Amino acid sequence: QQQVRQSPQSLTVWEGETAILNCSYEDSTFDYFPWYRLFPGESPALLIAIRPVSNKKEDGRFTIFFNKREKKLSLHITDSQPGDSATYFCAADDTNAYKVIFGKGTHLHVLP
Amino acid sequence: EAAVTQSPRNKVAVTGGKVTLSCNQTNNHNNMYWYRQDTGHGLRLIHYSYGAGSTEKGDIPDGYKASRPSQENFSLILELATPSQTSVYFCASGDRAGVDTLYFGAGTRLSVL
Repeated sequence: QQQVRQSPQSLTVWEGETAILNCSYEDSTFDYFPWYRLFPGESPALLIAIRPVSNKKEDGRFTIFFNKREKKLSLHITDSQPGDSATYFCAADDTNAYKVIFGKGTHLHVLP
Repeated sequence: EAAVTQSPRNKVAVTGGKVTLSCNQTNNHNNMYWYRQDTGHGLRLIHYSYGAGSTEKGDIPDGYKASRPSQENFSLILELATPSQTSVYFCASGDRAGVDTLYFGAGTRLSVL
């Protein structure tokens, strides 16, 4: 059973465009949603995160939009750069108990 | 700066052999985790630990054991390695005091032939 779903599996955009990465979850007990970024040959690292009390979290070119009712969120990367090319993992965390579930990831390719 | 160190970075093992992957963290975090990363599957949790002496099963524990002898060290053990365990393995540490950011090691690329 896949509790955290990401789409698309792969996304290609041109430099300067906005990349939109989607995520959905099933369990209402999740109360923290981090996004991790993985560059080839490196370690996953926290990029940005949101709690359901907010419907938007912004950090520079990265913005999370959150819809609690529909259990959906998305990561928008504006003015995409070739250096943004990586795999992005959406995760859902129940902070009251151990339960961190990762999605399968979206491979983002930004073409110059 | 959080520091999680994995060893070895690369490993080639034979089917049926024993493999031990080691992880050391200097963050003084209570929690440590072992994930494997495979294309099309994302990051999947194998085992985790709340502290020295504890190990818990994650989502895909079959074929793996874990050991947490101290706060700093967390090992993943493959008693009888199989080709299906060829993967990239990541260790992570975190602290459940509030928001739990996971700090990952550099990964171990394991090939079982």
